[in-house]
Amino acid sequence: ETGVTQSPTHLIKTRGQQVTLRCSSQSGHNTVSWYQQALGQGPQFIFQYYREEENGRGNFPPRFSGLQFPNYSSELNVNALELDDSALYLCASSSGTLNTEAFFGQGTRLTVV
Amino acid sequence: SQKIEQNSEALNIQEGKTATLTCNYTNYSPAYLQWYRQDPGRGPVFLLLIRENEKEKRKERLKVTFDTTLKQSLFHITASQPADSATYLCALDMGGFNKFYFGSGTKLNVKP
Repeated sequence: ETGVTQSPTHLIKTRGQQVTLRCSSQSGHNTVSWYQQALGQGPQFIFQYYREEENGRGNFPPRFSGLQFPNYSSELNVNALELDDSALYLCASSSGTLNTEAFFGQGTRLTVV
Repeated sequence: SQKIEQNSEALNIQEGKTATLTCNYTNYSPAYLQWYRQDPGRGPVFLLLIRENEKEKRKERLKVTFDTTLKQSLFHITASQPADSATYLCALDMGGFNKFYFGSGTKLNVKP
């Protein structure tokens, strides 16, 4: 186990709704990155938080937003859900130094109907 | 943006053989590259990291090479076992603290 926990594990939402996904980072890690993984594809970088500030964003629309808390846990919010948002959402925790590994949670499977 | 190519077709090999997976990339050269293993419905698990100034890295039965001229990394699993069956992802750093471009992964099937 990586020590990175995500909740919930599965979620079904209706198109147009809003969703919040949560991630608890590994102890001692101040950096959290979020990825979207569609079926049969590799993870795609959404954004990263370092010490509560956004530190880089991938090619995702503004309806994808996030937050990092003082304990370094993080939330991913998605507004106005679309069918294409159905995917596995992964949170990765790291120490914030260069050339180190990332520890992934088990993911949240989001289905938009 | 960075484009990463991994064999989209599954790799089927016999137990005990060496599996070799390929990762090719275009555009800029990353400072380092990582390989991850992913099992169905689970998050990726880190395996190996190799820096741009390193040609080869080993860990137990795993070996990774990094050729910045060819823009290619090879990932080898020697003496493969059925438990090695999984999808293997190549990840290139985007120029920062652990922000990655991932390939789509290669599914490895090791038959007993």
